[in-house]
Amino acid sequence: EAQVTQNPRYLITVTGKKLTVTCSQNMNHEYMSWYRQDPGLGLRQIYYSMNVEVTDKGDVPEGYKVSRKEKRNFPLILESPSPNQTSLYFCASSPWTSGLDYNEQFFGPGTRLTVL
Amino acid sequence: AQKVTQAQTEISVVEKEDVTLDCVYETRDTTYYLFWYKQPPSGELVFLIRRNSFDEQNEISGRYSWNFQKSTSSFNFTITASQVVDSAVYFCALSEDLGQGGKLIFGQGTELSVKP
Repeated sequence: EAQVTQNPRYLITVTGKKLTVTCSQNMNHEYMSWYRQDPGLGLRQIYYSMNVEVTDKGDVPEGYKVSRKEKRNFPLILESPSPNQTSLYFCASSPWTSGLDYNEQFFGPGTRLTVL
Repeated sequence: AQKVTQAQTEISVVEKEDVTLDCVYETRDTTYYLFWYKQPPSGELVFLIRRNSFDEQNEISGRYSWNFQKSTSSFNFTITASQVVDSAVYFCALSEDLGQGGKLIFGQGTELSVKP
């Protein structure tokens, strides 16, 4: 089954304790990205990756790191989490093609993170 | 700059009422895509519809219908004869990132509550 998986689904942690949220897709997609969802703000893109070893900042990258060592995985790293990073996080993937065809985004199930 | 506005933060209706969720977007591109997603209480994002900027034909899918008007930059979503299961947060989104990864710009979301 084509899917994007995220782990963990729920996480409660404390300020400053490094954590990683994993994201994996089995569709051989080139493009992967992370969004965070906050009340009243919708979803905003944190980072994206166009392919292995190619990453770039989205709209709200402060406090986050990512890596793309393998095509299927795109972990989100919070090296020193703070309470303002309490949010619902979504990973997404899509193929990367030229032309004007739309590349459908596949979303993971979400990770609810609470930083105390 | 691209932007999506969902002015209705919360809507409450009684079952069987019709309800329209508003979405207004801003973009300088002539080619773009518009979307609606549903987020039920379980938290996942459920894709509802995609519409490209060249297709202003309204669409109906069961109790759901969408009205796309480029003249007013709006892409409104109507649920006819609402049901309790329609209770969710609904997001409108815009993508200009065609032929690439398809970054989505989301509106703030509208929380719909359908009471029995």
